[in-house]
Amino acid sequence: ETGVTQTPRHLVMGMTNKKSLKCEQHLGHNAMYWYKQSAKKPLELMFVYSLEERVENNSVPSRFSPECPNSSHLFLHLHTLQPEDSALYLCASSQDLQRGTDTQYFGPGTRLTVL
Amino acid sequence: SQQGEEDPQALSIQEGENATMNCSYKTSINNLQWYRQNSGRGLVHLILIRSNEREKHSGRLRVTLDTSKKSSSLLITASRAADTASYFCATEFTGANNLFFGTGTRLTVIP
Repeated sequence: ETGVTQTPRHLVMGMTNKKSLKCEQHLGHNAMYWYKQSAKKPLELMFVYSLEERVENNSVPSRFSPECPNSSHLFLHLHTLQPEDSALYLCASSQDLQRGTDTQYFGPGTRLTVL
Repeated sequence: SQQGEEDPQALSIQEGENATMNCSYKTSINNLQWYRQNSGRGLVHLILIRSNEREKHSGRLRVTLDTSKKSSSLLITASRAADTASYFCATEFTGANNLFFGTGTRLTVIP
């Protein structure tokens, strides 16, 4: 176990549903990340939080809405998704934003299927 | 694109053989990291090599970095069936505050 948990592990939703993905890290880290992993594509960074403040938003559609209520928890709220949003969503944390020495610790991911 | 690119995309070897994967990138880096991912799971950090280092070892893993060629290689010696996974290089570019991952090399070790 990496110290980063994600729930649910699997999610099937319709395009009109609203759901949320949850990530929790037990490592005392200050930075948290959401990634999207689709088949045959590079891991796609979606959002970066440092000390609960969003520091990066990589042109992600507004149907994805992140929330970081504290440094241990990160949510990804989903609404009116499209079938092409089906992917593995990975959460990660690091001690701080990359400083040349930090590694990232990943959760097991949520496999999302949009019907 | 700032992502590293792994080569080959897929590699199949017999147990006991060595596996070599390569990564190329385009701009100056602070460090380069290798991660492993079992099918459908999260990534696990394997090794980090800084821009001023040329070679690093960890158990059966050996990583080299050639900043003049902007490339790195990961060597897994005496492979085992349990090494079957996807391997990703991730680069931390100078001035960036996150990692950039490639598409990975899918390694299959046949028992």
